[in-house]
Amino acid sequence: DTGVSQNPRHKITKRGQNVTFRCDPISEHNRLYWYRQTLGQGPEFLTYFQNEAQLEKSRLLSDRFSAERPKGSFSTLEIQRTEQGDSAMYLCASSLSGPLYEQYFGPGTRLTVT
Amino acid sequence: DQQVKQNSPSLSVQEGRISILNCDYTNSMFDYFLWYKKYPAEGPTFLISISSIKDKNEDGRFTVFLNKSAKHLSLHIVPSQPGDSAVYFCAALFGNQFYFGTGTSLTVIP
Repeated sequence: DTGVSQNPRHKITKRGQNVTFRCDPISEHNRLYWYRQTLGQGPEFLTYFQNEAQLEKSRLLSDRFSAERPKGSFSTLEIQRTEQGDSAMYLCASSLSGPLYEQYFGPGTRLTVT
Repeated sequence: DQQVKQNSPSLSVQEGRISILNCDYTNSMFDYFLWYKKYPAEGPTFLISISSIKDKNEDGRFTVFLNKSAKHLSLHIVPSQPGDSAVYFCAALFGNQFYFGTGTSLTVIP
């Protein structure tokens, strides 16, 4: 297992279209996080899974965003009716449970909405 | 509402000297702090962490200091190397949410 992978790496879409991103965490990690990062900012928390359960969602996450983690393995993040303001880097991270909170990040998916 | 702040967007240091990156936070409930390093086109990579019950943690060339009364943490890199040139993010944990600063771009000049 070489780390967290994300697909696609880049996505260009037209405003109003739906997009879906995939994250494959490190296999033994039961926690999975999604973040959004815009230029000049740090990663901004979107949502968090413990195994297959979505335990927390940012209040900033609009109802156009939905995330799933079936069977506690890979996760998908879907954005419906994309807007230009959704253009950002979407990062996924995974970690083990417990007192060590080291997160391992994937390379991200860069979304451009035209 | 930026709860974790890195007020220096960039820093340049000569190779071999000390790099000091600073981070301030507003929420006294944060109980765990981390530093990440990020190279272009890659995700952030964990560097070092510190629990709120400690005031110092050291790992090789990297030391993190935590001043809870001032709500301030810093990352010291000694000696700095050209390969340390990257963007550094501090992050703080409250509950299950991590809050990241805006990052400081470090350039180590050979």
